[in-house]
Amino acid sequence: NAGVTQTPKFRVLKTGQSMTLLCAQDMNHEYMYWYRQDPGMGLRLIHYSVGEGTTAKGEVPDGYNVSRLKKQNFLLGLESAAPSQTSVYFCASSYSFTARDRTYEQYFGPGTRLTVT
Amino acid sequence: LAKTTQPISMDSYEGQEVNITCSHNNIATNDYITWYQQFPSQGPRFIIQGYKTKVTNEVASLFIPADRKSSTLSLPRVSLSDTAVYYCLVGDIRGTGGFKTIFGAGTRLFVKA
Repeated sequence: NAGVTQTPKFRVLKTGQSMTLLCAQDMNHEYMYWYRQDPGMGLRLIHYSVGEGTTAKGEVPDGYNVSRLKKQNFLLGLESAAPSQTSVYFCASSYSFTARDRTYEQYFGPGTRLTVT
Repeated sequence: LAKTTQPISMDSYEGQEVNITCSHNNIATNDYITWYQQFPSQGPRFIIQGYKTKVTNEVASLFIPADRKSSTLSLPRVSLSDTAVYYCLVGDIRGTGGFKTIFGAGTRLFVKA
């Protein structure tokens, strides 16, 4: 049981390049999330998904797109990278509250460190 | 979403009990309180969650007064490995909208030998 995995772990992009970050979870979770964390700050929600085929905007969605074609995968795309998108990106997943009568917690991946020059 | 306020940083010594208080004056009726721990270069890790009164697990205790406008995370007998950033989150975890959370800057706890 690997939990939440993220690919790649590190990446350097030039301004204007595109890339896709992959998040995979093997816990059969309904919900998945993408966050970014800038130095010395908390996490900010970019996009999230409450089920296969669904996505929604979070707090800072501009410049990013997401897709959830399979329940276990959540992809984050940067179409035209900008230096302001230099950050650490975390993916998380969780059960829906209605699915389990227990504490509601998000399980986080190890992060992807992205630098845009 | 309810805004939370926590101390920016705290220092402690090994073996002491540490209490981190979070203020959330505009907490809503359906909101739950959740705490996460984050080590450098890692994703946050769930610690504890509660709605009212007291919740205890093998790692920590969470105290929530009757008015629920604040909460206190209590870490018993901390060790050097408890040095981390601790986040307090408040939000409605029910329904189909997912848990749209706001992570503030958190509290940096530094445990000294």
